[in-house]
Amino acid sequence: NAGVTQTPKFRILKIGQSMTLQCTQDMNHNYMYWYRQDPGMGLKLIYYSVGAGITDKGEVPNGYNVSRSTTEDFPLRLELAAPSQTSVYFCASSYSRQGAGNTEAFFGQGTRLTVV
Amino acid sequence: AQKITQTQPGMFVQEKEAVTLDCTYDTSDQSYGLFWYKQPSSGEMIFLIYQGSYDEQNATEGRYSLNFQKARKSANLVISASQLGDSAMYFCAILISSGSARQLTFGSGTQLTVLP
Repeated sequence: NAGVTQTPKFRILKIGQSMTLQCTQDMNHNYMYWYRQDPGMGLKLIYYSVGAGITDKGEVPNGYNVSRSTTEDFPLRLELAAPSQTSVYFCASSYSRQGAGNTEAFFGQGTRLTVV
Repeated sequence: AQKITQTQPGMFVQEKEAVTLDCTYDTSDQSYGLFWYKQPSSGEMIFLIYQGSYDEQNATEGRYSLNFQKARKSANLVISASQLGDSAMYFCAILISSGSARQLTFGSGTQLTVLP
């Protein structure tokens, strides 16, 4: 079981460039999340999804877009990279059954993005 | 929206002693889950322990226990017999299970340092 896989692990972007951070999970989890973590800070939720075809904004969605065409994949798109988007990005997934509680969120290894 | 607060930016504990990391939350929902994660300096997110809002007993996982006081809306993590390897950042998180939103929200974290 690979769990949650994020690619790439590191990336340097120039201001104004665009890129997609890939996230795939093989646990058949219905919930998926994208977070950013600035140095010395906590995790801030960018977007999340409760299932294929359903996405919703988190705390800091500006400058990002997501899609969830399949259960497994939840890519995060940066359209016009800005220095403020320099951060470590984490993808996570979890499973929730109605009335039966939630599993913990499983995290990918993170993507360290620098915008220069 | 739910809110989660960790008021201790940093904590020190002597090796082999117990330490309590504070976490309070604010939600009007009745159904929710509380999680604790550890983030060592290597950056990965490691799940430690989970407490459901309807669980009557405090959760325990090895040296970790969660002191859940529902009326006070607190979910403190207790680490017994601290080890040097426990030095890390610790995050508390809440997942609301009712309604359509399923945001998993993290606190700002507590940096724990275990002293030899």
